[in-house]
Amino acid sequence: EPEVTQTPSHQVTQMGQEVILRCVPISNHLYFYWYRQILGQKVEFLVSFYNNEISEKSEIFDDQFSVERPDGSNFTLKIRSTKLEDSAMYFCASSEPGPINEKLFFGSGTQLSVL
Amino acid sequence: RKEVEQDPGPFNVPEGATVAFNCTYSNSASQSFFWYRQDCRKEPKLLMSVYSSGNEDGRFTAQLNRASQYISLLIRDSKLSDSATYLCVVRDSNYQLIWGAGTKLIIKP
Repeated sequence: EPEVTQTPSHQVTQMGQEVILRCVPISNHLYFYWYRQILGQKVEFLVSFYNNEISEKSEIFDDQFSVERPDGSNFTLKIRSTKLEDSAMYFCASSEPGPINEKLFFGSGTQLSVL
Repeated sequence: RKEVEQDPGPFNVPEGATVAFNCTYSNSASQSFFWYRQDCRKEPKLLMSVYSSGNEDGRFTAQLNRASQYISLLIRDSKLSDSATYLCVVRDSNYQLIWGAGTKLIIKP
């Protein structure tokens, strides 16, 4: 089965630094997403991306965050000036267009630790 | 009131037993419903969509009750490998996916 890949699997950074989390969605998918999950808490929606622009974003996705699709395959999440509370697992997901876009395919996540 | 609410558990169930858990949602205009499964520190994976008429996939049965605004998941003949957290997900009227916090299931030998 095709899969979403995320790199790195773990990222440790100092508070105040910038990090870029990378994702390669499934090749024929058109909708892309970033979610995060703080340890022991629920999955939280950050942003969705379609047709090279943000289609939806949550309250969490403030000016500290940005997304980019720099080429035809990668989808990145940049977190500027990281804070301790940004420590979480970040999941990228993608889905097909049309009625069957209900199924999200998730990557295995990037565990971000901000020290 | 939380938008999507689940009993966090854990549900401790002997292997071979039947277990069921519910999920309630607050937005009556919600459009579609799903159960995802998440293993510890892994990504969520779609277990099944939930249709109005109810649906079954092997040992798993999902039901939707729009009048009472809940969905349910029934697992028959539970296996050790069913141990996981089960996440209820609701697509609301704004087409956003709203995630429950999950119900933890532990199947014991």
